[in-house]
Amino acid sequence: SQTIHQWPATLVQPVGSPLSLECTVEGTSNPNLYWYRQAAGRGLQLLFYSVGIGQISSEVPQNLSASRPQDRQFILSSKKLLLSDSGFYLCASSDWDYGYTFGSGTRLTVV
Amino acid sequence: EDKVVQSPLSLVVHEGDTVTLNCSYEVTNFRSLLWYKQEKKAPTFLFMLTSSGIEKKSGRLSSILDKKELFSILNITATQTGDSAVYLCAVGGQGAQKLVFGQGTRLTINP
Repeated sequence: SQTIHQWPATLVQPVGSPLSLECTVEGTSNPNLYWYRQAAGRGLQLLFYSVGIGQISSEVPQNLSASRPQDRQFILSSKKLLLSDSGFYLCASSDWDYGYTFGSGTRLTVV
Repeated sequence: EDKVVQSPLSLVVHEGDTVTLNCSYEVTNFRSLLWYKQEKKAPTFLFMLTSSGIEKKSGRLSSILDKKELFSILNITATQTGDSAVYLCAVGGQGAQKLVFGQGTRLTINP
């Protein structure tokens, strides 16, 4: 079965600072990878997905970017954080043999 | 635009009650509907439904899909305080296995 490692668990960053969240996947190869954001009291919003190395699709316009430098590594970045970037960020992997698996999430607070 | 709507948004019941959570959807090229339970961090998988009229059951939880009327229900019988969580419904369409999530139902079970 798949396992997703996501870090850090919590992060407090000042406005205007850069961001890098990392996610790695074990137990599968060539998975589809996703970054979701969950605002307080809301459902999950898909930010980016990737079907392979170097292939990134953005679902919503925003201050963030994503990269997939290796098959099982997915990175969410920002050059300058905004207050509105605060939220709970989840990395996910899908492989229809194992379905959809989520990482443990990163709670980002921009101050 | 693909859409998933859950109701109610919030529900408070007493331990031992039975609850029904609703999920309706509009999505092109429907592939599957998934239910997740989210406590403090990552959502955990409950059910995946792909065929109409076939009930999936796991202990006190059960779910069924109606592809004609475009909805699903999640039933929890003999509720316990440990069932308190946000329940998320998500629908997957064709292509990249992306999931569209509903807003979630916050279920609170009082002793």
